[in-house]
Amino acid sequence: QSVLTQPPSVSAAPGQTVAISCSGSFSNLGNNYVSWYQHLPGTVPKLLIYDNNRRPSGIPDRFSGSKSGTSGTLGITGLQTGDEADYYCATWDSRLSVVVFGGGTKLTVL
Amino acid sequence: QVQLVESGGGVVQPGRSLRLSCAASGFTFNRYAIHWVRQAPGKGLEWVALISYDGSDKYYADSVKGRFTISRDNSKNTLYMQMNSLRAEDTAVYYCARTVLYSAYANVDSWGQGTLVTVSS
Repeated sequence: QSVLTQPPSVSAAPGQTVAISCSGSFSNLGNNYVSWYQHLPGTVPKLLIYDNNRRPSGIPDRFSGSKSGTSGTLGITGLQTGDEADYYCATWDSRLSVVVFGGGTKLTVL
Repeated sequence: QVQLVESGGGVVQPGRSLRLSCAASGFTFNRYAIHWVRQAPGKGLEWVALISYDGSDKYYADSVKGRFTISRDNSKNTLYMQMNSLRAEDTAVYYCARTVLYSAYANVDSWGQGTLVTVSS
């Protein structure tokens, strides 16, 4: 059972918008930035969002991030079939002194 | 370009030990905190351990604390993970991964291809 809670799956049609939530607690998301990763089958994870809402170079602005209180959200607009992947949130837990990942959300683009 | 190359994985019996290595190149290794992250078959990503840029700070997941030891040799640009008392539930692909410079520990911008550890009798 992950410290950060994500929905196991979400789905949407090509071109649509989807939001993936990540819920934590005071000691992790409540006091630290959230990061988001995309993990395509057969590849290594890719950093999509860091420090709540910053995109590394090369990540399209279709991907966005936000955080409010103890919850973070990854938004993806203009869905493409190539976006089908597992998405993970992550943060530092100040009480446990560990990095924590969410359980992952499988995105299906119908 | 940034490269992280893991090695040392394989099949090992429960209770035995294994040492993973991660050779880094293409960046100034001694400036970056480095993680081990694993993924068991059919499961999600699980953070395992983290070592600061100079090796002075080390952090571990509860699931491996007391059994695994992370270390680094900055003169050799190499990260290590000594894994003792291995269990079946340690079976996973192990990735080494680099933290974004001057950033929060959960920000990881480069990953190796991973090395598979299988714990089985």
